[in-house]
Amino acid sequence: DVKVTQSSRYLVKRTGEKVFLECVQDMDHENMFWYRQDPGLGLRLIYFSYDVKMKEKGDIPEGYSVSREKKERFSLILESASTNQTSMYLCASSSGVILWGYTFGSGTRLTVV
Amino acid sequence: ELKVEQNPLFLSMQEGKNYTIYCNYSTTSDRLYWYRQDPGKSLESLFVLLSNGAVKQEGRLMASLDTKARLSTLHITAAVHDLSATYFCAVESNFGNEKLTFGTGTRLTIIP
Repeated sequence: DVKVTQSSRYLVKRTGEKVFLECVQDMDHENMFWYRQDPGLGLRLIYFSYDVKMKEKGDIPEGYSVSREKKERFSLILESASTNQTSMYLCASSSGVILWGYTFGSGTRLTVV
Repeated sequence: ELKVEQNPLFLSMQEGKNYTIYCNYSTTSDRLYWYRQDPGKSLESLFVLLSNGAVKQEGRLMASLDTKARLSTLHITAAVHDLSATYFCAVESNFGNEKLTFGTGTRLTIIP
């Protein structure tokens, strides 16, 4: 069964901490994405990557960075966590042509206090 | 900028009834996706619609795409309780950059 695995289901961090959210996929997909999900706002794209060491800004990249050193792993980094970054974070991957849409991870619910 | 709107945002309906969720988008696209999300869970792919007039059906759910109207519908027939979930549509712009823009979601509650 193909999978996108997010390392943490729940995280609680303090304001100002540097936070790493990890995502690993086992489908050899080229494309990987990070979204955040907030009530009433749907899913908003933070960053995405088409290949190793490539990254592109999505719609709301401020306060975030990403790293993709290996094809299967895409990390989201909150450089200095703030309370307005409390959210559900979803990682997704897709093959080069999205005939099947994205495969999503189970999500990480991050609370910044 | 591509915008995707869903309505209604909330839908409460009785078992056995029919209803439709609408997804409108603002720019040219012929790729549209429907997802389901159960509370506390991630998103599960339901349908992929890749051309004008495409229609897909799975059980009590049927999705269609009208690219000229920039509209997709998700029709629920004879609703049952286990269809209660949040449904999202997502659109890829015709720039082919494989980036999906999601609607805000429709939270569907089926009442016995």
